Amino acid sequence: DTGVSQDPRHKITKRGQNVTFRCDPISEHNRLYWYRQTLGQGPEFLTYFQNEAQLEKSRLLSDRFSAERPKGSFSTLEIQRTEQGDSAMYLCASSFRDSGEPGNQPQHFGDGTRLSIL
Amino acid sequence: QKEVEQDPGPLSVPEGAIVSLNCTYSNSAFQYFMWYRQYSRKGPELLMYTYSSGNKEDGRFTAQVDKSSKYISLFIRDSQPSDSATYLCAMSRHNTDKLIFGTGTRLQVFP
Repeated sequence: DTGVSQDPRHKITKRGQNVTFRCDPISEHNRLYWYRQTLGQGPEFLTYFQNEAQLEKSRLLSDRFSAERPKGSFSTLEIQRTEQGDSAMYLCASSFRDSGEPGNQPQHFGDGTRLSIL
Repeated sequence: QKEVEQDPGPLSVPEGAIVSLNCTYSNSAFQYFMWYRQYSRKGPELLMYTYSSGNKEDGRFTAQVDKSSKYISLFIRDSQPSDSATYLCAMSRHNTDKLIFGTGTRLQVFP
């Protein structure tokens, strides 16, 4: 399978604990995105990377959230001191953007990590 | 008011019916329009991707964009039970890749 891979698929933790999720994008894709989806809602943008550079962050990404993409390949999303409101599906997507190519490119999503806060 | 509005449904149709799914939006800066299909406990799967106004057809699926009315549609012909899923519209502006999604419409196709 050469699609976007996310790990773990489901994480259950107690309030106040730290959690980390991993995303492996499609191999030739240089852009990587994180979204959050709650029940009955569409995904909401959190942040995105071009290679290892984090280019945009949403106001939803509070100081308890941090994302990295250290070598421009896989990415991690860490949530510190989790709260009940952090319960959601965390989705990763990737795309390829050629610097000489105009326009946005379609994003392909993984199956997400479902976070449940007890 | 949300930037993208989508009726959550559910929409229930018999097998073989033509399905029409719609979204309206308020930001005229949106240039790229997408439809994703999402099965339960899965990630969104890209169905259609269009730029600016016009129609695009792919098999049983047709996407339409009317920028003058800020209205996009997805039509599914000869609907099948396997089409039962949530359909999400998404759009983005030219100068950012950030996708803005609708809430999704839940579709059920019964045999």
